[in-house]
Amino acid sequence: AQSVAQPEDQVNVAEGNPLTVKCTYSVSGNPYLFWYVQYPNRGLQFLLKYITGDNLVKGSYGFEAEFNKSQTSFHLKKPSALVSDSALYFCAVRDNYPDSNYQLIWGAGTKLIIKP
Amino acid sequence: NAGVTQTPKFRVLKTGQSMTLLCAQDMNHEYMYWYRQDPGMGLRLIHYSVGEGTTAKGEVPDGYNVSRLKKQNFLLGLESAAPSQTSVYFCASSYHRGGAPADTQYFGPGTRLTVL
Repeated sequence: AQSVAQPEDQVNVAEGNPLTVKCTYSVSGNPYLFWYVQYPNRGLQFLLKYITGDNLVKGSYGFEAEFNKSQTSFHLKKPSALVSDSALYFCAVRDNYPDSNYQLIWGAGTKLIIKP
Repeated sequence: NAGVTQTPKFRVLKTGQSMTLLCAQDMNHEYMYWYRQDPGMGLRLIHYSVGEGTTAKGEVPDGYNVSRLKKQNFLLGLESAAPSQTSVYFCASSYHRGGAPADTQYFGPGTRLTVL
């Protein structure tokens, strides 16, 4: 079955330190992967996506994600965390079965808390 | 551009009452989606539409109906609300070009619904 896992419910990082939010996936065919961020009481915002090409994808707000095919992972990273990065982060993968009209399969989300 | 808008922002219903949530997008997107977000469960797709006049069931369609009479609008209806439908509802849209592997979804701000 196709799925996305975000193994950490919450990640705590001190401001200025590097951060990583983990995501692993299981999908048939080529994986198309996304990261979205949700700030409190707001809708989700697109951060970045991997379709093909360079395994390191750069996105909004200084975030980047590394696609690792052998480990079926797509971890979100940032070299230096800001307090304003505190939010809920969602990983998603495209469902590659045509019958689904290529809907996104969503992880459960990881709450990122950056402490001053 | 307003992007994706949702009305209302908040609503409280009694069990058995009905209501309609309205989603509107001004980006000329083909695809539109309704999700619900519950704590610890990420996003779950209720219904979606791949174009004007078409709708399809998602992961959790029971108890909901939808209509897409105009390309820019996607309505979500609850005919007889139940406490289990207490949730935050998000609408999203995306632009799917023929054969494109994966397009970014743009989200509305959400509707917080409580069913007593």
